[in-house]
Amino acid sequence: AQSVSQHNHHVILSEAASLELGCNYSYGGTVNLFWYVQYPGQHLQLLLKYFSEDPLVKGIKGFEAEFIKSKFSFNLRKPSVQWSDTAEYFCAVNAGSSASKIIFGSGTRLSIRP
Amino acid sequence: EAEVAQSPRYKITEKSQAVAFWCDPISGHATLYWYRQILGQGPELLVQFQDESVVDDSQLPKDRFSAERLKGVDSTLKIQPAELGDSAMYLCASSLNPYEQYFGPGTRLTVT
Repeated sequence: AQSVSQHNHHVILSEAASLELGCNYSYGGTVNLFWYVQYPGQHLQLLLKYFSEDPLVKGIKGFEAEFIKSKFSFNLRKPSVQWSDTAEYFCAVNAGSSASKIIFGSGTRLSIRP
Repeated sequence: EAEVAQSPRYKITEKSQAVAFWCDPISGHATLYWYRQILGQGPELLVQFQDESVVDDSQLPKDRFSAERLKGVDSTLKIQPAELGDSAMYLCASSLNPYEQYFGPGTRLTVT
């Protein structure tokens, strides 16, 4: 069965700091990977997705994620965070098939100090 | 911009009572999902519809939960009877393809 681990439950950074949120998944076959974000008071929304193309995926608002197959990882990065990046971030995996459901991690809460 | 609508936004009910949630997906989205999100966890799929047909309800506690999408548009999720452990956020999402789901604001259920 697929699973997703996000080991950082709460990350606190100052503005302009660099960000890396960890995500590891367990599944031996082809996967599609996602990062979703939920800003305070807003709906959960897709930040970026990986579909077996370039392992470095660029998303909205300057975010990117790198798929490292040998490490079963899909970490989210941003070189310089802003106060508006304060949100909860969810990593998710789908077992490479449109018939397979998306499994979400437990989320990482990111707090940015202005 | 089209959005997924859900109602009510908040619901407080006593255990053993019945409760129902409603979802109206984005127009034209054939696939509709109901998720449950317990505090501190990620969303967990309860049921997935393709038009009016259920394609995945493997995680739906069928002894107390039911879901329907009679005309393949809006959907209702029901719990009867509610238990204390059902307190959670219930999210609805819709999509044209399974890889880009659009989520609604959710219904926060508190069972007392």
